[in-house]
Amino acid sequence: RKEVEQDPGPFNVPEGATVAFNCTYSNSASQSFFWYRQDCRKEPKLLMSVYSSGNEDGRFTAQLNRASQYISLLIRDSKLSDSATYLCVVKGGSSNTGKLIFGQGTTLQVKP
Amino acid sequence: DGGITQSPKYLFRKEGQNVTLSCEQNLNHDAMYWYRQDPGQGLRLIYYSQIVNDFQKGDIAEGYSVSREKKESFPLTVTSAQKNPTAFYLCASSQDRNTEAFFGQGTRLTVV
Repeated sequence: RKEVEQDPGPFNVPEGATVAFNCTYSNSASQSFFWYRQDCRKEPKLLMSVYSSGNEDGRFTAQLNRASQYISLLIRDSKLSDSATYLCVVKGGSSNTGKLIFGQGTTLQVKP
Repeated sequence: DGGITQSPKYLFRKEGQNVTLSCEQNLNHDAMYWYRQDPGQGLRLIYYSQIVNDFQKGDIAEGYSVSREKKESFPLTVTSAQKNPTAFYLCASSQDRNTEAFFGQGTRLTVV
């Protein structure tokens, strides 16, 4: 079983749609959680950190459920510029080694 | 400007040659990471280091070597033992074991 699992998609949605991505992780001792965005042939860039209480940044909302070992990202009012691959990232674990593990990414294509 | 610098952006080598990829950061971060990404795939961890003069193997360390003699530098050597070295190599750094990581622009290595 992979340490971090995501549905690879692709998710094809019209502009203005709301779309949700899910991610599960296997190590219950994981400490920190993030969502990154990666454009084609570019480096990943931090989108937002994920906190237990949930957090929102404009059109983006991230949630963490430690009991179910599940992370989600909700994008409201999708824009064409949101088209990218979204990577779920988990950090830490047993002994908190600082190991940073990526899911395989979920591809979003927003269409006019 | 503060950031992470990878060089070169594109690199071509003949099969059987060792090659070293550079990664430098001036963010005063303790942790540094090397990832490999193949087309259409996620990021796979090669090596990571939480502190100077110490590093740990990631999931795909075979055929690679690293050093961490200085806090700001974490070079990766791709040896001739790596069977399929052609890939996109990404270096990242983070302040500590729990915080988010930031990436360099990557090096595209092609072995012919």
